[in-house]
Amino acid sequence: GAVVSQHPSWVICKSGTSVKIECRSLDFQATTMFWYRQFPKQSLMLMATSNEGSKATYEQGVEKDKFLINHASLTLSTLTVTSAHPEDSSFYICSARAGDLNTEAFFGQGTRLTVV
Amino acid sequence: DAKTTQPPSMDCAEGRAANLPCNHSTISGNEYVYWYRQIHSQGPQYIIHGLKNNETNEMASLIITEDRKSSTLILPHATLRDTAVYYCIVVPGYSTLTFGKGTMLLVSP
Repeated sequence: GAVVSQHPSWVICKSGTSVKIECRSLDFQATTMFWYRQFPKQSLMLMATSNEGSKATYEQGVEKDKFLINHASLTLSTLTVTSAHPEDSSFYICSARAGDLNTEAFFGQGTRLTVV
Repeated sequence: DAKTTQPPSMDCAEGRAANLPCNHSTISGNEYVYWYRQIHSQGPQYIIHGLKNNETNEMASLIITEDRKSSTLILPHATLRDTAVYYCIVVPGYSTLTFGKGTMLLVSP
């Protein structure tokens, strides 16, 4: 299947700082990318959907000014967690989908964020 | 999107077939059945998807009932590395995937 690469795999940051997570589709053009968050022993929760060149659509309850999403090209989307707090510690996962109808979405390996 | 119901956990002996059920009685005609799995601390992995016909690939087989109200994912020869949470997701084609709680499959020696 297609490859989606996420970087970094894990990061530890201090409270109040910002962290950027990258998501790249390596062998296909992703017209749509998705960002999920997963807390321990819970399922994935969709945070936002982004289409290349346009603003992301955020799910209810997700602060767009705190979780900045940029989808500047067909192969790269970034999620920046601004002014991180310990409660933002979580497993962040991106997903990418090509533009064809009825195609599966492929997921990155996830980024474990720990805010101390 | 149609709601799905999966057992919270299942056990399977290594080398045996693992049959994971999913109920989706409110599925609409344009909704596909997708299966993904998530091994601990990794991103979800696509397994298979289908609309109404049974599907098979190198990983698994998907059996969809004629009325499309339920489906079964079959791993023909389960290995220890198949231990994971398996998610059945029903959505229209090219729609956002919403994850439920899935089925925790434990494959034992």
